[in-house]
Amino acid sequence: AQSVSQHNHHVILSEAASLELGCNYSYGGTVNLFWYVQYPGQHLQLLLKYFSGDPLVKGIKGFEAEFIKSKFSFNLRKPSVQWSDTAEYFCAVKLLSSSASKIIFGSGTRLSIRP
Amino acid sequence: ETGVTQSPTHLIKTRGQQVTLRCSSQSGHNTVSWYQQALGQGPQFIFQYYREEENGRGNFPPRFSGLQFPNYSSELNVNALELDDSALYLCASSSTSGDRLTQYFGPGTRLLVL
Repeated sequence: AQSVSQHNHHVILSEAASLELGCNYSYGGTVNLFWYVQYPGQHLQLLLKYFSGDPLVKGIKGFEAEFIKSKFSFNLRKPSVQWSDTAEYFCAVKLLSSSASKIIFGSGTRLSIRP
Repeated sequence: ETGVTQSPTHLIKTRGQQVTLRCSSQSGHNTVSWYQQALGQGPQFIFQYYREEENGRGNFPPRFSGLQFPNYSSELNVNALELDDSALYLCASSSTSGDRLTQYFGPGTRLLVL
């Protein structure tokens, strides 16, 4: 069965540290890829998305992600985190052979930033 | 703000009862999906409606059902509630453009089943 894995359940960083959150998926076909963020008490917000073309995509708030097809990965990065980046981050994959808009989510990574 | 609204924000029910959750899609979106997010987990796809018809379903039993109305608002109905149904229920609307799907999520309804 298709799945999305986020291996880091909880990441703790100091302000100004660099961030990389891992995301791997198991599906051999064509995919759309997403990162969503859920700030405390708020709803899911789209950070960035990949459909096709340049595998390095830039999103809001200084985040970027790189799609590496050979590794089935779509890792999220930010060169310098801020306290306000404290949130839950979800990687999601849409399988393009599916006629329905089914997106499979990872279990999430909780990011805590020490001020 | 995504323009997707959900009601109610919180709800408490007891086992065996039935519940209806509501969602208003973002203007111009004709597709709505529902997700269940258990505590500490990522959202799990329940089903999707496109132009008032269900066109995709995840691994949820038939007691989870839905409706989409001509104005593209939507309902999620759950019958015979079980304790494990306690979760955050998310609605997401989208305007598909070929394969370039982008979904916008509402704030969710938190359901507690006692």
